[in-house]
Amino acid sequence: DIQMTQSPSSLSASVGDRVTITCRASQGIRNYLAWFQQKPGKAPKSLIYAASSLQSGVPSKFSGSGSGTDFTLTIGSLQPEDFATYYCQQYNSYPLTFGGGTKVEIK
Amino acid sequence: EVQLLESGGGLVQPGGSLRLSCAASGFSFSSYAMSWVRQAPGKGLEWVSGISAGGDSTYYADSVKGRFTTSRDNSKNTLYLEMSSLSAEDTAVYYCAKVSSNSPYWGQGTLVTVSS
Repeated sequence: DIQMTQSPSSLSASVGDRVTITCRASQGIRNYLAWFQQKPGKAPKSLIYAASSLQSGVPSKFSGSGSGTDFTLTIGSLQPEDFATYYCQQYNSYPLTFGGGTKVEIK
Repeated sequence: EVQLLESGGGLVQPGGSLRLSCAASGFSFSSYAMSWVRQAPGKGLEWVSGISAGGDSTYYADSVKGRFTTSRDNSKNTLYLEMSSLSAEDTAVYYCAKVSSNSPYWGQGTLVTVSS
């Protein structure tokens, strides 16, 4: 199974900050990586797929990069509505696997 | 607009069974593999099961293998999850999700509680 390691597991940031979350796969997954945002009590929301493609309707302050084993999600100019938990997920092969999540909190 | 609408969750006793359904609309359901993903209270996301577009191949997490069965009816645009021998560890929100291809989508989830 492919292990997905996200870091950090949590971070505190201020409104207006630029935030970067990393995700490392235990083996190469080409660009078959997605990023999701989840707020308490809500379903995950798709942000990025194919490592760097923006899901329709998602603001351009979200961006993704990487290929192979190392990936990043960047949120430019953090806004109050961006405080949430973020997950990466590989879909290169079954079993599909998720990172442990990164909780972004208000400083 | 893509919609995935789960149903069938509820309270079930340990050792019991439950069948979840997911009605899909807004995309060519029969063209895409689908998955079930769950989230236990206060925990992260756990992939549970997947099924190929035509339904001929299924995949399961080790934690549910032999107890859960995923199927689909492409004529009804519906995905199913049959769960048996349920235990407290299966208590979670279960999501129907299109997450094994580009442009992923999630349903709103249905809560399964296993308790006596």
